[in-house]
Amino acid sequence: QVQLQESGPRLVKPSETLSLTCTVSGGSISDYYWNWIRQPPGKGLEWIGYIYYNGNTNYNPSLKSRVTISVDTSRNQFSLNLNSVTAADTAIYYCARSPGDKRHFDYWGQGTLVTVSS
Amino acid sequence: DIQMTQSPSSLSASVGDRVTITCRASQDISNYLAWFQQKPGKAPKSLIYAASSLQGGVPSRFRGSGSGTDFTLTISSLQPEDFATYYCQQYNSYPYTFGQGTKLEIK
Repeated sequence: QVQLQESGPRLVKPSETLSLTCTVSGGSISDYYWNWIRQPPGKGLEWIGYIYYNGNTNYNPSLKSRVTISVDTSRNQFSLNLNSVTAADTAIYYCARSPGDKRHFDYWGQGTLVTVSS
Repeated sequence: DIQMTQSPSSLSASVGDRVTITCRASQDISNYLAWFQQKPGKAPKSLIYAASSLQGGVPSRFRGSGSGTDFTLTISSLQPEDFATYYCQQYNSYPYTFGQGTKLEIK
């Protein structure tokens, strides 16, 4: 059974960089698309972007200028960096797998709440 | 961006009831639609993809239908474990977008 687990700092200061890692277990990171999605408290879900195992990326235009997603196939991990954060970036961050480009999310992580505050 | 509108936003029902949730896209998304279930503090769970295909391990009481702009999720006989929040999501066009969710509560 594929499992995804987010990890990283739960508190980030304004203007700094939010960094999270998703560790994939129970399956290989190869041949799949790996996504980040977020949900601010009490609000809707927002797709941040994805990375293919070969490093190709696709980002939501609303965040593209601040987002970098990277992959480490040797560790079966992929990561999210979001720079210049503000309170509006406070959210539960989820990682999720897609079996292909323009495909659904078939496995999700539990999510981790990241708060932006001084 | 494609807007996804779900209705109702919340729904009260009893065990054994049949319930239907609808999702409307602001433009044609063919069958590039997924439904998933979310319980508090838990990972979202994929239920339906390609509008009507059941994700492996999901009970057959869950059924998805529709194409183009109008879609439905039907639960034929509610079980206690089905009370949760349900979301639709389109993956026809970037950026992928979600409905606002339908909270299914016990009556």
